[in-house]
Amino acid sequence: EAGVTQFPSHSVIEKGQTVTLRCDPISGHDNLYWYRRVMGKEIKFLLHFVKESKQDESGMPNNRFLAERTGGTYSTLKVQPAELEDSGVYFCASSQGPGIRNTEAFFGQGTRLTVV
Amino acid sequence: LAKTTQPISMDSYEGQEVNITCSHNNIATNDYITWYQQFPSQGPRFIIQGYKTKVTNEVASLFIPADRKSSTLSLPRVSLSDTAVYYCLVAGDSGNTPLVFGKGTRLSVIA
Repeated sequence: EAGVTQFPSHSVIEKGQTVTLRCDPISGHDNLYWYRRVMGKEIKFLLHFVKESKQDESGMPNNRFLAERTGGTYSTLKVQPAELEDSGVYFCASSQGPGIRNTEAFFGQGTRLTVV
Repeated sequence: LAKTTQPISMDSYEGQEVNITCSHNNIATNDYITWYQQFPSQGPRFIIQGYKTKVTNEVASLFIPADRKSSTLSLPRVSLSDTAVYYCLVAGDSGNTPLVFGKGTRLSVIA
């Protein structure tokens, strides 16, 4: 069974540019999460989809970040325009739900974003 | 959300048993205790989860005392490949609570 896949694995962009990260969750997983780790900091929650609906987006830093999950399958996270402080590793995770299985989330390898 | 406290780092020789203890004094009745492992350049990986007493799987054991205010992850006979960061998380089973990661414990296994 394929795990959670993220694309690209690494992206280097200039400040002011736009970048779109993609996450393909495990097939059948209704829950999809985005997390971010900036240099030297802890992994921070960004938002949570249940199917195509945003369940919780309290962790989104600002309106430069836009997440979508059309059709309840893969998700994209767009950063526009990117700033230097957006650099970090963006993780996507998915889980079945509801209930206890929501805490057994499967993470992707992450996308390392470098804004220069 | 219950806050967790764990050691910042630990060192161990190969073949030893490693125990990492996590404190979660404010754990709620419906909270489960979950441990994740993260290798460099990879996403966190679920290791084990429990509610109370002891849970064992092919990777580790999790010991939870009756008051549930702490938990201990036990890794038997560690090898170099167990070098990673280990996160203790406490989360409810409502389905709507995101995972909250702390700083984790950086385990270094040396030959």
